[in-house]
Parts: sequence; structure tokens; C-alpha cells
Amino acid sequence: AQRVTQPEKLLSVFKGAPVELKCNYSYSGSPELFWYVQYSRQRLQLLLRHISRESIKGFTADLNKGETSFHLKKPFAQEEDSAMYYCALSGPVRGKLIFGQGTELSVKP
Amino acid sequence: GAGVSQSPSNKVTEKGKDVELRCDPISGHTALYWYRQSLGQGLEFLIYFQGNSAPDKSGLPSDRFSAERTGGSVSTLTIQRTQQEDSAVYLCASSLDSRGTEAFFGQGTRLTVV
Repeated sequence: AQRVTQPEKLLSVFKGAPVELKCNYSYSGSPELFWYVQYSRQRLQLLLRHISRESIKGFTADLNKGETSFHLKKPFAQEEDSAMYYCALSGPVRGKLIFGQGTELSVKP
Repeated sequence: GAGVSQSPSNKVTEKGKDVELRCDPISGHTALYWYRQSLGQGLEFLIYFQGNSAPDKSGLPSDRFSAERTGGSVSTLTIQRTQQEDSAVYLCASSLDSRGTEAFFGQGTRLTVV
């Protein structure tokens, strides 16, 4: 079964510190992995996807198939990064999009 | 240039009443999703429509929940005999196709059952 696990409900760091939001998944196949972000009073929106191998707003995420992980990283957190982050998975069969429980990132000045 | 639109934005209803939540996806998007967002529960998958295929209803929590998508466009999520535990934000999203493409979300409907 498809499952996405984000073990941390809340992650609090100081401005300028590195940040890593953890995401583990279970899927018997080759999934597509995504990170979505929801800033305060805004809609949920795509941050990045693993197939693009891009860096958005300084964030990167590498798919590790051996560890079934897709952790989100940023070397120097900014206050404007404070938001709710969701890891998501889409399987090859019909593409159902499943989300994790979310991690609230709080970046303190 | 409208995005995904949901109505109403807020709905307060009495326990036991039925409610209908509406979603207007982006024109041309074949995939449409409904999720429930509640504190501590993250984004709970409810139902998924893809083109003319039968919907994936595996996330609907009980038979009080149903959804339809008419003409491959507008979707309605219906909750019958609402309960207090149904209180949550209901999110709709659409995407161009079924895999790997960005899902665009509506602003959500906040449902409060009193």
C-alpha cells in the first residue's frame, strides 16, 4: 500500500541554521515524490518534485530508493521558510496522490 | 485565469444535516482529488477522479461520504447526516493528468458541525 510518513510534527530552528525535514515512503514500485508547502493563509502549492532534481528557494530533496526516503534540506533557513510542509507520493497506477501528515517548520530570528 | 475554486469557503451546519461542497477545477485538468485536512491528521485522501475511469473511493471514511464529478469538470462532495468529527477543512485539487504533474489546490471549505 502507498504510505508516506513524516515523523516530525514540528521542527523549530534558528535563522541561518541548516534544516532537514524527513520523509519516508512505502511503495512497491517506482513512485513519483513531491514536496508541497502551505504558507500561512495561502493555498497548498508544489515546492519541488524528485524528477526535476531542482532547487527551489534553496531547498533540495534527493530520492534514496534504498532507504525509501525523500528528505527536504536547506543549508541556511530563513524566517520566510516558516510554513507547513507536506511530502507526497504518486504511484504509476492511475497516479493517486497521497500525502504525509505534514511537518510545521518554524524558523526563529 | 482562474485556479481551482471551492464553495462555500465556510460552512456551519447542525449535526445530522447533509452538506454539499463544490469544486471547480482548472479547465482541461483530467484529474481531480478531494482531501480532508484536520489538526494533527495531515492531508487525508478521500477520493480521486481521473478522466472517464471509475473513481478511486478508497479514502472515503464512511458511507455517509460520496462524491461525483459531472461532465469531467465540476465535482461535488456530499456528506450525509453530518457528525462533529466531520469538522475539518476539505480541500480539492486538480492536475493536468494522472501522474507526475503538479496538483493545484483550492482554498478549501472549512466545515464546522455544531
